Amino acid sequence: ETGVTQSPTHLIKTRGQQVTLRCSSQSGHNTVSWYQQALGQGPQFIFQYYREEENGRGNFPPRFSGLQFPNYSSELNVNALELDDSALYLCASSLGPNTEAFFGQGTRLTVV
Amino acid sequence: AQTVTQSQPEMSVQEAETVTLSCTYDTSESDYYLFWYKQPPSRQMILVIRQEAYKQQNATENRFSVNFQKAAKSFSLKISDSQLGDAAMYFCAYLPPLVFGKGTRLSVIA
Repeated sequence: ETGVTQSPTHLIKTRGQQVTLRCSSQSGHNTVSWYQQALGQGPQFIFQYYREEENGRGNFPPRFSGLQFPNYSSELNVNALELDDSALYLCASSLGPNTEAFFGQGTRLTVV
Repeated sequence: AQTVTQSQPEMSVQEAETVTLSCTYDTSESDYYLFWYKQPPSRQMILVIRQEAYKQQNATENRFSVNFQKAAKSFSLKISDSQLGDAAMYFCAYLPPLVFGKGTRLSVIA
């Protein structure tokens, strides 16, 4: 059984650019959630996908968007990057929308 | 909206001693889950322990145990026989939805 994997592990982008982060969910999991974790803070919920449909969204602007694929892997897209988008982005998968989440190692995004 | 509060930004403990991390939460729901996650410098969130709100018995996982007080909306984590590898950020979390506290940084002193 493979765990949650995220790619890339580190990324540096310029303000105004666009970025795509990827996540492979744990085998058997149909739900993926994305979180933004600023330095020294707890993770903040961005959105959740359940069976390829968005199933909840936190307080993030529309330039944060996502996809979930038929194999339940997922992407997080961020357009028009801002310096404040610099953070650790965590992906978590679970057996269902309101069940225990298992996390990947995260992608460290730096916007310069 | 549900909120989770961790009032101890930093804690330290001597190796082999016991430490308790505090967490309170706010919800109007009666059915929910509570978790403690550990985040070492490697960044990956590791589930330490979980508690179902409908269970009165406090959860225990080896050296880790919780004190769940539903009426007080309190959920503290006790680490016994602390080890150097326990040093990390610890996050209290509520589900659903999954909401985290700001974390407590635990240092273990040899």
